[in-house]
Amino acid sequence: DGGITQSPKYLFRKEGQNVTLSCEQNLNHDAMYWYRQDPGQGLRLIYYSQIVNDFQKGDIAEGYSVSREKKESFPLTVTSAQKNPTAFYLCASTSGPGNTGELFFGEGSRLTVL
Amino acid sequence: DQQVKQNSPSLSVQEGRISILNCDYTNSMFDYFLWYKKYPAEGPTFLISISSIKDKNEDGRFTVFLNKSAKHLSLHIVPSQPGDSAVYFCAASDSGTYKYIFGTGTRLKVLA
Repeated sequence: DGGITQSPKYLFRKEGQNVTLSCEQNLNHDAMYWYRQDPGQGLRLIYYSQIVNDFQKGDIAEGYSVSREKKESFPLTVTSAQKNPTAFYLCASTSGPGNTGELFFGEGSRLTVL
Repeated sequence: DQQVKQNSPSLSVQEGRISILNCDYTNSMFDYFLWYKKYPAEGPTFLISISSIKDKNEDGRFTVFLNKSAKHLSLHIVPSQPGDSAVYFCAASDSGTYKYIFGTGTRLKVLA
């Protein structure tokens, strides 16, 4: 089945530790995205990538890093510089921008900082 | 700067009646709009979209209306069913970029 797989589903981290969230898609989509969901704040864009080896900052990129070495994969690292990392993280992909397609989402990863 | 706004955090509707969810945007470059439904601890699922060249798009019980001059879109669900109870997000995109911007969501509760 085609889709987006995020792992792990739940993750606990101690303060000061970096953690990497995995996102893999087999939809052959060019563009991939990371969003963060907090209560009452909707989905906020962290990073997005239009093509392999290229990515852009979204609205809340501080404290996060990404890589796009393969078309299928777009891992997100939450660094110790992120002040409030506890959140629900969503990965998405699309075949094209704007009018050419909707975003498809993974099931999400919940990160809790202890 | 909230470019996409959903000013109603919650909405309750009786089963069988119409649900109307609203969304406003500020960026005139947005030309593609989408609605998503989301359950807790799950990823959003796509419902319906509309291009800025149209003012209405229907898909079964779901209809999206776009008023470009007012920078406003709405999602109508008719008839509403208890299974429609979820959080609904609107999103907007500029086809010249790859950015999709989401609103803060409206929690819909359909009462049986």
